[in-house]
Amino acid sequence: DTEVTQTPKHLVMGMTNKKSLKCEQHMGHRAMYWYKQKAKKPPELMFVYSYEKLSINESVPSRFSPECPNSSLLNLHLHALQPEDSALYLCASSQSTSGGLNEQFFGPGTRLTVL
Amino acid sequence: AQSVTQLGSHVSVSEGALVLLRCNYSSSVPPYLFWYVQYPNQGLQLLLKYTSAATLVKGINGFEAEFKKSETSFHLTKPSAHMSDAAEYFCAVGGYSGGYQKVTFGTGTKLQVIP
Repeated sequence: DTEVTQTPKHLVMGMTNKKSLKCEQHMGHRAMYWYKQKAKKPPELMFVYSYEKLSINESVPSRFSPECPNSSLLNLHLHALQPEDSALYLCASSQSTSGGLNEQFFGPGTRLTVL
Repeated sequence: AQSVTQLGSHVSVSEGALVLLRCNYSSSVPPYLFWYVQYPNQGLQLLLKYTSAATLVKGINGFEAEFKKSETSFHLTKPSAHMSDAAEYFCAVGGYSGGYQKVTFGTGTKLQVIP
């Protein structure tokens, strides 16, 4: 199974809502990533988890809160978002974050719209 | 810092014609280089990767790329374009930040295939 799944596919939320994005992989990968992609732009790295520990936070605002409950799951908790946070949120995983650069496998993304 | 530059945000080719998407990299060390494809409203899929094993890298769907150190290039080619090749293509360079792997994407090239 070389698939990364993401739920929901689409999410519309108001600026006062709290919602969560979910990502799952069953490839035994120990590194997981969140990216944000605006229209017609490349993905921008937000967070990296390595062995369920947060390794990289690319100065992301605190209204985005990542969580890695176990090696297969990655969540992104959203609270008090702004309309400019509307984007495609991509999850990815790789074998690890060390020992030679590993290919990242991407999920299909969650299309988020903040009203 | 490592980076990639993709020349041409839009490329149009006729069905059956050669596809050439350009990517130049900047890196102080031997780079890890990738080409990803993104179809509309989907995640990214790895086409191929260069990890210094061979300068000519063959990927999926008939694509290949040649690493040229003297030109700092990693252009993507396909001999004959199919309609199904219409998508956004991202060149990316891999490296390490704070001991953890990080992939930086180029700005993307949208490939249009004309019947």
